[in-house]
Amino acid sequence: KNEVEQSPQNLTAQEGEFITINCSYSVGISALHWLQQHPGGGIVSLFMLSSGKKKHGRLIATINIQEKHSSLHITASHPRDSAVYICALFTGNQFYFGTGTSLTVIP
Amino acid sequence: DVKVTQSSRYLVKRTGEKVFLECVQDMDHENMFWYRQDPGLGLRLIYFSYDVKMKEKGDIPEGYSVSREKKERFSLILESASTNQTSMYLCASSRALGGNYGYTFGSGTRLTVV
Repeated sequence: KNEVEQSPQNLTAQEGEFITINCSYSVGISALHWLQQHPGGGIVSLFMLSSGKKKHGRLIATINIQEKHSSLHITASHPRDSAVYICALFTGNQFYFGTGTSLTVIP
Repeated sequence: DVKVTQSSRYLVKRTGEKVFLECVQDMDHENMFWYRQDPGLGLRLIYFSYDVKMKEKGDIPEGYSVSREKKERFSLILESASTNQTSMYLCASSRALGGNYGYTFGSGTRLTVV
């Protein structure tokens, strides 16, 4: 049983498309993180959420605590957005990581 | 810019060798972490440290040890490397324990054990 599930696993989009990546979880959390991992391995923390919605540039992250669901949206996608996006939950004493969504944006 | 620096991007070692992976952060963070990442399994915590000379086992500590002699440096040691330790290793640091603070990751070390 996985505590955190991401969908889709793989996503290919045309440049300019609106993209949504979903994260569903089954445990109580104190925070949810969205991470971005570029080819080559480095990971960047995009957002940390405990409620509501956050926006940074073309990226928007939302969380619904009651439904145990979070989404990461990318508006006007660009080839440089191609990366693996990872949802990570913190329960208060433990982290759980999703296996990631691999996004490819085609020019 | 704050940084977590891992000493090697790619490493190839032989079975049975002792391997040191080094991680240095310049943010004066108390907490440092070592993860491994494998396809289909996501990130898994190996060890973490919340202070100098302090360490705690994560989910998969077997076959690994760690050292934190200085606040800025956290080393992962493979005592006798095995082929099932071929993986991507990621170091991270944070200001405080717990997911309510941001984490900063290094760029990873891809280790191949032959």
